[in-house]
Formats: sequence, structure tokens, C-alpha cells
Amino acid sequence: EPEVTQTPSHQVTQMGQEVILRCVPISNHLYFYWYRQILGQKVEFLVSFYNNEISEKSEIFDDQFSVERPDGSNFTLKIRSTKLEDSAMYFCASTEFGTNEKLFFGSGTQLSVL
Amino acid sequence: GQQVMQIPQYQHVQEGEDFTTYCNSSTTLSNIQWYKQRPGGHPVFLIQLVKSGEVKKQKRLTFQFGEAKKNSSLHITATQTTDVGTYFCAAHQLNTGTASKLTFGTGTRLQVTL
Repeated sequence: EPEVTQTPSHQVTQMGQEVILRCVPISNHLYFYWYRQILGQKVEFLVSFYNNEISEKSEIFDDQFSVERPDGSNFTLKIRSTKLEDSAMYFCASTEFGTNEKLFFGSGTQLSVL
Repeated sequence: GQQVMQIPQYQHVQEGEDFTTYCNSSTTLSNIQWYKQRPGGHPVFLIQLVKSGEVKKQKRLTFQFGEAKKNSSLHITATQTTDVGTYFCAAHQLNTGTASKLTFGTGTRLQVTL
């Protein structure tokens, strides 16, 4: 079965540093998402992306966050100046047609901010 | 915003016992999806329910969508150790646009022992 791939699997950074989390969605998918999960808690929506623009974003996705599809395959999440509370597992997901479809999740990037 | 709650938060059963998790929304839902997350893993799609009162089965798993489309349940008959993980319901709000966000429930962690 096709997979969403994420790199790196673990990222450790110092508070205030910028990080870029990378994702390669499934090749024929058009809708992309970032979710995050703080240890032991629920999966929280950050942002959805379609046709090279943000479709919807949550209140968590403030000015420190940005997303980009720099080429035909990658989808990135940038956190400009990391805070301790940004420590979480970040999941990328994709779907083919968008609404009311199942999400295919990547294996996640565990971000630790020290 | 939309709230999706699940109960119980945690359930520990002996192998062979049944298990049920309940999902409740503060708003009427377009559909409900269920995901399973193994320890250390990522959410994996199980099923989607769309119609009011819908019941679907997957082997030992039975999924129901409430008549009012505000609640759902997942029942596992005769649990096995392979059922261990956290079960999340997830919902799209009614009448949202494309690439709309999927709101995850708070999750129920299932532990199964021999």
C-alpha cells in the first residue's frame, strides 16, 4: 500500500531555533495536512493545504508556523522560533479528494525542544 | 469549536473479554471515522460511517453511528492482545468545504492482558 513518508523521525532542537519537518505525501493525493500529538494526548489538527494554499488552520497554527509545497513531491512544516510547548509528535497526512475521505498518516516526526 | 469526547479514557481487559468505546460530539456530524493507533505508531484508518443509524462490522469490530449523528461507538468482541492501542473517533463538521479539518476525539486506550 502507498505510504506517506516523513523525515526526520526525531528532531531535537534548542528553544528559539527554526525547524523544518518534511513529508512526502502519497503521489496522487491532492490534499495535505499536519497534525500534532503531545505525548499521551489526542491528535490535534494544525493545517490543511490544497492547490498550493492553506485551506484551513487551527488556533495552534499561529504566525510561527508555515507550510510549503516547494516541489511536486514534498510538503513541509516550518516552525520559525520553537518553544518548549512545541514538543510533540508531528504527523503529516494526505487524501486524494479531500472532504469525507480517510486520512493516510505518516509515521511522524518526534520534535523535542530543549 | 467542535468538541468530540470519548469514554472511557482507558480500559484494561482480559483477553477474550469485550470492549466498547463511546464517542460523543457537541454538534451534528457529517460523518464519523475511526482510527487505531498502536503504541509508538501513527493513526491508521479503520472505517467511516455516514448514514444516521448506520452499523458496520469488521470481523470482531462493530461500529455504530447514532440516529442523531452526534455519537458513535466501537465494540470489540472477544479482545485479543493484537487489539492493544488507542482508538480514536474523528469527525468532519457538517457542511464544511473541501480539505476540511478532521477533529479527533480524546481517544480510548485499550490494554489487553492474558
